[in-house]
Amino acid sequence: GAVVSQHPSRVICKSGTSVKIECRSLDFQATTMFWYRQFPKQSLMLMATSNEGSKATYEQGVEKDKFLINHASLTLSTLTVTSAHPEDSSFYICSARGSGGLANPEQYFGPGTRLTVT
Amino acid sequence: KQEVTQIPAALSVPEGENLVLNCSFTDSAIYNLQWFRQDPGKGLTSLLLIQSSQREQTSGRLNASLDKSSGRSTLYIAASQPGDSATYLCAVHSGGGADGLTFGKGTHLIIQP
Repeated sequence: GAVVSQHPSRVICKSGTSVKIECRSLDFQATTMFWYRQFPKQSLMLMATSNEGSKATYEQGVEKDKFLINHASLTLSTLTVTSAHPEDSSFYICSARGSGGLANPEQYFGPGTRLTVT
Repeated sequence: KQEVTQIPAALSVPEGENLVLNCSFTDSAIYNLQWFRQDPGKGLTSLLLIQSSQREQTSGRLNASLDKSSGRSTLYIAASQPGDSATYLCAVHSGGGADGLTFGKGTHLIIQP
């Protein structure tokens, strides 16, 4: 089946620094990638959608200058949390969808990245 | 704005029982609905995807139904096992330009050996 990886799995950083999280589709080409955030005991919330070669579309309330998303190839998307603060500590999960749009709708999720900002 | 609700929030049953998890959504204009499993501190494993034109999907001991007009889905787990213990998430892919999934808060399931 389709496999999506994320790196790193865990990261601890100091307040004010930036952190980059990678999301890779290992055995398929991901036309679209999604970034979600999950706070403790809460559900996943969509942060942004990115299509390869295009600018990401951010959900309402998500600061695009703080959460930089790059989808430069069909197998890699990156999320950079800039000037991280303790309230950015969360579980970040990416997902990837192949080509075909609604005819091939399934999203495949990565294992997640636990970010802790001290 | 689409909202997804899952009931119950938590469930603990003895091994071997059949059980039903419920999911409801407020906007029936969906493309599809997915059920996922999430183990503690882990990512998501897709269990079943039901297209809006379908009424149910089955995989092994799992059966998911969809009643789009009433905004409801159920996940039926037959002959539950301790390994089924996890949080089960329901998510819908809506229309109206929203391309990502809207998730419920999940049902935390414990199967007692």
